[in-house]
Amino acid sequence: GAVVSQHPSRVICKSGTSVKIECRSLDFQATTMFWYRQFPKQSLMLMATSNEGSKATYEQGVEKDKFLINHASLTLSTLTVTSAHPEDSSFYICSAKLRNTEAFFGQGTRLTVV
Amino acid sequence: DQQVKQNSPSLSVQEGRISILNCDYTNSMFDYFLWYKKYPAEGPTFLISISSIKDKNEDGRFTVFLNKSAKHLSLHIVPSQPGDSAVYFCAASERGRDDKIIFGKGTRLHILP
Repeated sequence: GAVVSQHPSRVICKSGTSVKIECRSLDFQATTMFWYRQFPKQSLMLMATSNEGSKATYEQGVEKDKFLINHASLTLSTLTVTSAHPEDSSFYICSAKLRNTEAFFGQGTRLTVV
Repeated sequence: DQQVKQNSPSLSVQEGRISILNCDYTNSMFDYFLWYKKYPAEGPTFLISISSIKDKNEDGRFTVFLNKSAKHLSLHIVPSQPGDSAVYFCAASERGRDDKIIFGKGTRLHILP
């Protein structure tokens, strides 16, 4: 299947700082990228959908100013967690897809805010 | 409101037997359904999908069945193998609308030796 690379896989940051997570589709051009968050023992919660060159569409309850999403090209999307707090600690996963295909997921990023 | 439901948080199956994972959905506009497998601290891996125009799709040991009238789908794994132990997520999307993939809460499958 197609490869989606997510970086970094783990990051620890201090409270109040910002963290950027990258998501790249390595062997295909993704029309759409999604960002998910997974809490312990819970489902993948969709945070936002981004299409290349346009603003991300955020799900209800997700703070746009806190979780900045940039989809600069058909192969790269970034999620920046701004002014991180301990409650932002979670597992963040991106996925990328072409229209009418299944989504392929990155490896995930474990964010710990101390 | 949870649009994709996996009511069994866990399931234990003897190695070599059939594993059946169930999923229900509420949104009748969903037209594409997927199953993903996930190991701890990794991203989900696509397993198999089915379009709403079909009622069955088979790929090796994995078969997905779709019952649209009941808004129910199931994943059958046969024979079950130790490496199948993982969390399985059912997911659905409206491909003609926004392609958002909505996940269920997952079912943890334990394959017993």
